[in-house]
Amino acid sequence: KNQVEQSPQSLIILEGKNCTLQCNYTVSPFSNLRWYKQDTGRGPVSLTIMTFSENTKSNGRYTATLDADTKQSSLHITASQLSDSASYICVVSASGGSYIPTFGRGTSLIVHP
Amino acid sequence: DTAVSQTPKYLVTQMGNDKSIKCEQNLGHDTMYWYKQDSKKFLKIMFSYNNKELIINETVPNRFSPKSPDKAHLNLHINSLELGDSAVYFCASSPYRDSQYQETQYFGPGTRLLVL
Repeated sequence: KNQVEQSPQSLIILEGKNCTLQCNYTVSPFSNLRWYKQDTGRGPVSLTIMTFSENTKSNGRYTATLDADTKQSSLHITASQLSDSASYICVVSASGGSYIPTFGRGTSLIVHP
Repeated sequence: DTAVSQTPKYLVTQMGNDKSIKCEQNLGHDTMYWYKQDSKKFLKIMFSYNNKELIINETVPNRFSPKSPDKAHLNLHINSLELGDSAVYFCASSPYRDSQYQETQYFGPGTRLLVL
């Protein structure tokens, strides 16, 4: 069964600090992995998309890494800002057929001043 | 201009009623989706349409019926609403079929459905 596990479930950090969120998956055969940011009361917004051959991808202060061998991904946030407070969701899609995505439950990040 | 819009934003209704949620995208995308986000914030895909053709239909009760009158619209009709249908429903769109072309999905603001 395809699964995506994220850790930690929640995280509180001080403004200006860095943090790293983890995503482990068992989706097979792998097609791509995405990280989304979801602010409270809004729809998810895509941060990064990575395929099997990509190890890292950046979007401003957000850097995602992918290890397809160990089936792990991380999202690193540099110099956090108050606006980074949100839920971060890891989504992995399988190839072949209808490319149905499997969502993680998300990591809730709170950035304190 | 809003890229992906949904109406209504809030929907409160009685059990057993029939209701519809509308979605429109002005991005010129070929593919549209409906997702359900439960109280634990867990997102799950329900349906996907590509150029008005149904391509993903997850294990959703047949009380849920999507309708795509044209490429820019994907509406969700729900019959005989149940308490467990209470959730936030998100519409999304992408330029091509998801994953294969690694295209970004653009989500609407969500419709908060509460069944009493």
